[in-house]
Amino acid sequence: KAGVTQTPRYLIKTRGQQVTLSCSPISGHRSVSWYQQTPGQGLQFLFEYFSETQRNKGNFPGRFSGRQFSNSRSEMNVSTLELGDSALYLCASSSPLDQDGNEQFFGPGTRLTVL
Amino acid sequence: AQSVTQLDSHVSVSEGTPVLLRCNYSSSYSPSLFWYVQHPNKGLQLLLKYTSAATLVKGINGFEAEFKKSETSFHLTKPSAHMSDAAEYFCVVKGEGKTSYDKVIFGPGTSLSVIP
Repeated sequence: KAGVTQTPRYLIKTRGQQVTLSCSPISGHRSVSWYQQTPGQGLQFLFEYFSETQRNKGNFPGRFSGRQFSNSRSEMNVSTLELGDSALYLCASSSPLDQDGNEQFFGPGTRLTVL
Repeated sequence: AQSVTQLDSHVSVSEGTPVLLRCNYSSSYSPSLFWYVQHPNKGLQLLLKYTSAATLVKGINGFEAEFKKSETSFHLTKPSAHMSDAAEYFCVVKGEGKTSYDKVIFGPGTSLSVIP
């Protein structure tokens, strides 16, 4: 079974631009979560989608948004990019069958650099 | 509110010696607790998880962790370190609230170095 895939793996943008990141979960997984990882702030939860609905949201500004499609693939969008948005963005999927603990399977991440 | 503290930002051990990575948590509910490992330029991999079953949890690659409610701790151990264990380790708490899909809190991470 294929793992979680994220595209692109690397991205360079300039301030003020917007960016869209994509995540394809493991087949059969309906929950997709997004995280931002930076050296200063560590891993921070952005949001979680389940069956095309945002179920949980972390403490990020409205410039960060996401969506999930009917095939469970998810996209994350960041508008009006700031230098501080440079980070590794990780996507994780989990299966609703795993009720105890909901193990998350992580993708390799998208490395975003904002210049 | 939930929180996770990893007491050491960096731990260095010699190959073949025991590993201890410390984690303390705060949660109003009975939490689910996890340890993840992240090797350089790779995604996060689950090592083990505690979900209110046995308090001593065995994971992959010889790691295990013990849930101690009285100490609000979930320390990760391994009897004998291997060079391939060098990585970043994250303690994670999850589960405050009524649904099982509640917000996940990652600890700041502990970088483990293994000296040959």
